Amino acid sequence: AQSVTQLDSHVSVSEGTPVLLRCNYSSSYSPSLFWYVQHPNKGLQLLLKYTSAATLVKGINGFEAEFKKSETSFHLTKPSAHMSDAAEYFCVVSDYKTSGTYKYIFGTGTRLKVLA
Amino acid sequence: DGGITQSPKYLFRKEGQNVTLSCEQNLNHDAMYWYRQDPGQGLRLIYYSQIVNDFQKGDIAEGYSVSREKKESFPLTVTSAQKNPTAFYLCASSMADRAGNTIYFGEGSWLTVV
Repeated sequence: AQSVTQLDSHVSVSEGTPVLLRCNYSSSYSPSLFWYVQHPNKGLQLLLKYTSAATLVKGINGFEAEFKKSETSFHLTKPSAHMSDAAEYFCVVSDYKTSGTYKYIFGTGTRLKVLA
Repeated sequence: DGGITQSPKYLFRKEGQNVTLSCEQNLNHDAMYWYRQDPGQGLRLIYYSQIVNDFQKGDIAEGYSVSREKKESFPLTVTSAQKNPTAFYLCASSMADRAGNTIYFGEGSWLTVV
């Protein structure tokens, strides 16, 4: 069965230091993978997505992620954290169902805290 | 601007009352979804619709109902049968099913039982 695991429920970094949010997935097919950000009381905003093109994907606000098929990982990184990056981050896989449709599977989220 | 509009942002429900959350999109998307998010938790799929006049149950459909009479609209009714409805509700949409379609979200609606 398809699944997404976000390895850390909470991550704290100091402003100006690198960010690493980890995501592993399992899929029977070639998945599409996404990272979304959610600020308090808001909807989810797309940061970036991978759809079988370049394995290193660049997104908005300086974030990027690398698809590693051998490790079934899609970790999100940013070289230098900003206070405004403090939010909840979700890793999502879009995968093929046996019914012939696609389904979005969400990780449980990682709350990023940025310390001044 | 194209997007997904949810209303109201905050809604209070009395015991035994049905309430309806509105979701409208002008992205010309075929598929629409309703998710429930409880504090500190991920998203759980309530219902989804891939085409007008058709919808499917998600993982937690009990106590909820939907309709899809227009492509742009996918209202969610929280019925009195839903015993623990207090949560943040997110409506979303995407293009018709194929790999790599991005799912877009509205700003969400808070439902509280009083």
